[in-house]
Amino acid sequence: GEKVEQHQSTLSVREGDSAVINCTYTDTASSYFPWYKQEAGKSLHFVIDIRSNVDRKQSQRLTVLLDKKAKRFSLHITATQPEDSAIYFCAATPAGFASALTFGSGTKVIVLP
Amino acid sequence: EAAVTQSPRNKVAVTGGKVTLSCNQTNNHNNMYWYRQDTGHGLRLIHYSYGAGSTEKGDIPDGYKASRPSQENFSLILELATPSQTSVYFCASGDAGTGGATLYFGSGTRLTVL
Repeated sequence: GEKVEQHQSTLSVREGDSAVINCTYTDTASSYFPWYKQEAGKSLHFVIDIRSNVDRKQSQRLTVLLDKKAKRFSLHITATQPEDSAIYFCAATPAGFASALTFGSGTKVIVLP
Repeated sequence: EAAVTQSPRNKVAVTGGKVTLSCNQTNNHNNMYWYRQDTGHGLRLIHYSYGAGSTEKGDIPDGYKASRPSQENFSLILELATPSQTSVYFCASGDAGTGGATLYFGSGTRLTVL
């Protein structure tokens, strides 16, 4: 089955700088790649996604890049703010699998003043 | 607004005991999921369902059963709880579809098995 890896367990950035979180996946059939955010002590909520028919998607300060050849995707957060501090999870699912997502292990982003 | 409610929020169980975690969604989503979250592992899929009466095994189903008696309710059952099942459990719902869809998560149940 699909395996999703997040290689950074923790990422510290200065407020106002950019943060980049990288993920890799194994299943070439995967076509949907969402990102979820978990603030301290809370549940997860959706932040942004990308599908395999595009290689870039932006929503305000968030940009997702997808490299299908390398089976790699990344979340870029620009102009980081204290409220960006959280654990970010990447996920992937193949087409036809009705959104049963495989998640990465999470990256804790710490925005320092 | 999409809503997924889990109960209980916290549960302490004894080894060998039976535990039932409940999940209710008011989103009218066909698909529901149970994940567990452990440090270093992220979220791992235990069971999921495509609709009332259906349950499917996820990546780590051993030691767990699931029940979907209605569109709204999805339960996770630990017939013989073990300390290795100590974890935080999340229920989620999502639209059916082959292109991938946003999942809506409940607040989680923290289970401790002594």
